[in-house]
Amino acid sequence: DQQVKQNSPSLSVQEGRISILNCDYTNSMFDYFLWYKKYPAEGPTFLISISSIKDKNEDGRFTVFLNKSAKHLSLHIVPSQPGDSAVYFCAAMEGGSTLGRLYFGRGTQLTVWP
Amino acid sequence: GAVVSQHPSWVICKSGTSVKIECRSLDFQATTMFWYRQFPKQSLMLMATSNEGSKATYEQGVEKDKFLINHASLTLSTLTVTSAHPEDSSFYICSASTRGGEETQYFGPGTRLLVL
Repeated sequence: DQQVKQNSPSLSVQEGRISILNCDYTNSMFDYFLWYKKYPAEGPTFLISISSIKDKNEDGRFTVFLNKSAKHLSLHIVPSQPGDSAVYFCAAMEGGSTLGRLYFGRGTQLTVWP
Repeated sequence: GAVVSQHPSWVICKSGTSVKIECRSLDFQATTMFWYRQFPKQSLMLMATSNEGSKATYEQGVEKDKFLINHASLTLSTLTVTSAHPEDSSFYICSASTRGGEETQYFGPGTRLLVL
């Protein structure tokens, strides 16, 4: 059973606008959430994370929002750039940020067009 | 659909022994499988890419003689950690793709290796 879901397999956004990638989870024990970015022929690279004690974490153009009551998180990219075009994976884990099993969503392909 | 399993999920071994980890795509044929090592702060290091029926392509810095990868069929890839040492202790994650990794990857649950 998929415990982390990314219901949109793809998203297309114009350069300069905001990209919003969504992720839902079902396991209330998850307390640490991550976003990975993946280019073709490369492995996923860590992008940004958020602990369940927060509802927002910002790093430059990337902001992750967490709504625990809705079991929903989102990644905002502002402004979007063509180089942001990639597959974005949402992941979750229990036990804080210690090394533990990652539960991945299926990914969302973001395309940023000029 | 698109389920990837790994076996075992958890293994403890003595230093110097070899450990084999299996990665299976349960309901689809995976032309390409990837092996990752998970590091603290959850960074993922791509170790190698394997295509069914051909030799694995290892990333720079990964010892191919230590981490043996076999992709014998469209549903099975194995990673063997030879002569394991405590520093090899980690989570090893596989993922599978149907078309050279250009499509989304389906991740396995990971295998936790502890070398004593």
